[in-house]
Amino acid sequence: GQNIDQPTEMTATEGAIVQINCTYQTSGFNGLFWYQQHAGEAPTFLSYNVLDGLEEKGRFSSFLSRSKGYSYLLLKELQMKDSASYLCAVLDSNYQLIWGAGTKLIIKP
Amino acid sequence: IAGITQAPTSQILAAGRRMTLRCTQDMRHNAMYWYRQDLGLGLRLIHYSNTAGTTGKGEVPDGYSVSRANTDDFPLTLASAVPSQTSVYFCASSDSSSSAGELFFGEGSRLTVL
Repeated sequence: GQNIDQPTEMTATEGAIVQINCTYQTSGFNGLFWYQQHAGEAPTFLSYNVLDGLEEKGRFSSFLSRSKGYSYLLLKELQMKDSASYLCAVLDSNYQLIWGAGTKLIIKP
Repeated sequence: IAGITQAPTSQILAAGRRMTLRCTQDMRHNAMYWYRQDLGLGLRLIHYSNTAGTTGKGEVPDGYSVSRANTDDFPLTLASAVPSQTSVYFCASSDSSSSAGELFFGEGSRLTVL
């Protein structure tokens, strides 16, 4: 079966750095996506990786290793507004998105 | 403002009633999707449409139906609601069925079936 694993919850301190990991086992791979979802709101697209390596976008970076079925989202200089759930999703061989359950990130002052 | 509009935003429904959740987008995206999101579970795909006039079943299609008469509208119908369909429903779209990973979501419809 297809499976995406990410931690349920993480806590970090304002101003610090946090890494949210995601491992996947899917039938085929056409890209890995990270979304941010604030409580009570819709998910919004953050990043996309299809080749191995690091993609940087401001304070957020996303890394992919296809051979290991592994990705992480790195958030730097954490702000209180970064408190949200972070969803990892993989586009499989049928071009359907397979979603992880999400990681709830709690930022403490 | 361009985007996806869902209606209603919230609804309480008696079991056995019929309900249609509306979804309209003005971005001229080809592909549209309906997901449900339940606590502790990832987003689960109910139905999708790669282009107007076509629809397909997702991971959890039972008890739901959709239609795609035109590019902009993608309504989701619960023919006879059951309590297990209590959930938050998100409509989403993408600009190509082959680049289906970058989705734009509506604000969600919170449905409670009693």
